[in-house]
Amino acid sequence: GIQVEQSPPDLILQEGANSTLRCNFSDSVNNLQWFHQNPWGQLINLFYIPSGTKQNGRLSATTVATERYSLLYISSSQTTDSGVYFCAGFGNEKLTFGTGTRLTIIP
Amino acid sequence: ETGVTQTPRHLVMGMTNKKSLKCEQHLGHNAMYWYKQSAKKPLELMFVYNFKEQTENNSVPSRFSPECPNSSHLFLHLHTLQPEDSALYLCASSQESRVGYGYTFGSGTRLTVV
Repeated sequence: GIQVEQSPPDLILQEGANSTLRCNFSDSVNNLQWFHQNPWGQLINLFYIPSGTKQNGRLSATTVATERYSLLYISSSQTTDSGVYFCAGFGNEKLTFGTGTRLTIIP
Repeated sequence: ETGVTQTPRHLVMGMTNKKSLKCEQHLGHNAMYWYKQSAKKPLELMFVYNFKEQTENNSVPSRFSPECPNSSHLFLHLHTLQPEDSALYLCASSQESRVGYGYTFGSGTRLTVV
């Protein structure tokens, strides 16, 4: 079956700190993506990253498809980075989400 | 706004009421989706429409009835809901359902069933 697992479930950091979020996914999952859900419920696509590494400002993501995991890095965290980060994978013509990592950045 | 607009943003309804959620996109996408997000649970796919045809019903109870009159509009008709149906309902669109990326989500409708 399709499995997408995320860790840690919760992360509380001081402003300015760096963080690493992890996503493990099963063999039947492809097209790995990362989303950020802000406190108002808006889901924003951060990265489409089936393999390799991408960077966008303070955020970067790496997917090692052969080992079935992806990492999201956030550097120099800001309070606006708070929210829930989801990874999602595509399999059986469906986008399946992990349970998310709730990130709280303290000023 | 992301290009996918959902209305209303908040809805409180009784268990005997009938209401509808609306989703609209003008991104030129051909696939639209309903997801349910309950507290402490991952997003659950409910329905998929591809070129106005329903291609997925993820074992959703019949008290939820989707409608897709055209590729730009998607509705979710609600009737005789239960309190456990209270959740954030998210609509999304993509170019087409077999392409596994390029999803755009709306801001959701937060539904409370009393």
